Amino acid sequence: AQSVTQLGSHVSVSEGALVLLRCNYSSSVPPYLFWYVQYPNQGLQLLLKYTTGATLVKGINGFEAEFKKSETSFHLTKPSAHMSDAAEYFCAVSVITSGTYKYIFGTGTRLKVLA
Amino acid sequence: DTEVTQTPKHLVMGMTNKKSLKCEQHMGHRAMYWYKQKAKKPPELMFVYSYEKLSINESVPSRFSPECPNSSLLNLHLHALQPEDSALYLCASEALGWQRGTNTEAFFGQGTRLTVV
Repeated sequence: AQSVTQLGSHVSVSEGALVLLRCNYSSSVPPYLFWYVQYPNQGLQLLLKYTTGATLVKGINGFEAEFKKSETSFHLTKPSAHMSDAAEYFCAVSVITSGTYKYIFGTGTRLKVLA
Repeated sequence: DTEVTQTPKHLVMGMTNKKSLKCEQHMGHRAMYWYKQKAKKPPELMFVYSYEKLSINESVPSRFSPECPNSSLLNLHLHALQPEDSALYLCASEALGWQRGTNTEAFFGQGTRLTVV
């Protein structure tokens, strides 16, 4: 079964520092991969998505992710953290089951940005 | 309009009450989802509707009853819930069929924060 694994349930970075959130997927076929962000008491907002083709995917708010098939990874990065980036980040994979797509989420990484 | 609207935003109900959560989208999406999210946990899939038909039920207790009356609307009927059912309930929608293409992306609502007392 397809799944995603997020390493590190909590990540702290200083404001202005590089943000790196890790996600590895398990899939025997090219996956549909996503990064979502969730601010407190809110729903999920799509940051970026990988479908097929490009290895570097640019998203909103300065985030990007690199798809590395050899490492089965889809890590999320941002060159310079901002206080407003503090949130929960979920990596997700879309899988087809019985002709229907469903989203399976990783366990999440809480990003804390230090002043 | 790329919004998924959920009502109410907050709901407190007793264990003997009957209530309903509502979700609406006008993006022409034909897949709609209910997820349950407990604090500090990822969303867990409950139900999926495809073309207004229930296609996935992730072994959810019968006290949760989904309904998809039309392609824009998704309801979750609640009855005889338990305190452990308190959670954030998220609705999502996605394009299907010819509309899907590379437009694979689930749009999520802001959720309904449910408290069962």
